Amino acid sequence: KQEVTQIPAALSVPEGENLVLNCSFTDSAIYNLQWFRQDPGKGLTSLLLIQSSQREQTSGRLNASLDKSSGRSTLYIAASQPGDSATYLCAVRMDSSYKLIFGSGTRLLVRP
Amino acid sequence: KAGVTQTPRYLIKTRGQQVTLSCSPISGHRSVSWYQQTPGQGLQFLFEYFSETQRNKGNFPGRFSGRQFSNSRSEMNVSTLELGDSALYLCASSFDPRGGKETQYFGPGTRLLVL
Repeated sequence: KQEVTQIPAALSVPEGENLVLNCSFTDSAIYNLQWFRQDPGKGLTSLLLIQSSQREQTSGRLNASLDKSSGRSTLYIAASQPGDSATYLCAVRMDSSYKLIFGSGTRLLVRP
Repeated sequence: KAGVTQTPRYLIKTRGQQVTLSCSPISGHRSVSWYQQTPGQGLQFLFEYFSETQRNKGNFPGRFSGRQFSNSRSEMNVSTLELGDSALYLCASSFDPRGGKETQYFGPGTRLLVL
């Protein structure tokens, strides 16, 4: 049974810092992995989607990497801003269905 | 394009009642998935519909059911509500008819409180 873990559960950093969020999964036979952002009481916003054949994806200040063999993904946020404060969730798909298996998230606070 | 819409946004029910939540996907999207989010269990997959057929189902009791209409709109129903059903219910839609290579777009959710 696939399990997705995110460490740390919470993170507080000063504005301008570069930071890394971690996601690990127990079964490396994933179809793809996705990073989402969730603001309090809101739905999820997709940030980056990495197919199983890819190693990384970039969008603006965000870079996500995937290492299937070690069961890990990282989300790198450059030059963090207070507007980046949110909960970041990673999720994996094991097949071509749309069933996502989520981690418990990392709650990020960027202090001005 | 309009995003995924969910109605109602907030709902208060009492134990034993039933509830129906609605989700309208992005125009052209044919896949609709439902998730339950609670502080204790996090985000858990409920089910996915594609072209009016349930294509995948999570590990939830039979009190949770859903359906999809020909216009891709979807509803989920929870019967005999329990306190533990209090949660944020999220709906997500996607276009790709061949599988999960594309991202899913989530709605704002329906927050259900069971008293």
